[in-house]
Amino acid sequence: NAGVTQTPKFQVLKTGQSMTLQCAQDMNHEYMSWYRQDPGMGLRLIHYSVGAGITDQGEVPNGYNVSRSTTEDFPLRLLSAAPSQTSVYFCASSQRTGKNSPLHFGNGTRLTVT
Amino acid sequence: GQNIDQPTEMTATEGAIVQINCTYQTSGFNGLFWYQQHAGEAPTFLSYNVLDGLEEKGRFSSFLSRSKGYSYLLLKELQMKDSASYLCAVRDGARAGGSYIPTFGRGTSLIVHP
Repeated sequence: NAGVTQTPKFQVLKTGQSMTLQCAQDMNHEYMSWYRQDPGMGLRLIHYSVGAGITDQGEVPNGYNVSRSTTEDFPLRLLSAAPSQTSVYFCASSQRTGKNSPLHFGNGTRLTVT
Repeated sequence: GQNIDQPTEMTATEGAIVQINCTYQTSGFNGLFWYQQHAGEAPTFLSYNVLDGLEEKGRFSSFLSRSKGYSYLLLKELQMKDSASYLCAVRDGARAGGSYIPTFGRGTSLIVHP
């Protein structure tokens, strides 16, 4: 079972470039989310989805777009990269049923914007 | 808003016991999670509390007091491999999406010395 798969693992962008971080899960989880992790800041929620066709903003959504056309996939798009978006990005998924359903994380994407 | 506070760093000796505290403020508490994150890796689930009291899982235990907005993670018989960051995360049903997607504290970096 692959769990949550994120690609790429590493990426370097120049300011102004756009790109898509891919995230796929094979556990049939309804909930998916994107976090960024910066030193001393913990994990901050960018966008989340509670099911196919439904997305909403988290704590730090500016500069990012998401879509959820299928249950499995939840890509994160950077529209015009800025140095402030240099971070480690984690995709996570969890079940809808069961109050104690924890987040399952992908291995992360380390993004540097120069 | 939602505040989650944890100590930034703690140190302990191999074989000892350490307690990592987490305090939070929510309008609609809906569960608290603890995650472990080794350097350069993704967070992994440790424990979940939604009712007051102690949950024990081997060397790790987690305690919750909803009236005090307080939780702790207790690690016994510390091993070198327990050196990691420990993340407290809270679900808040009063926050948009908060019933499904938790908010994370900044994490506590635990260093275990021989």
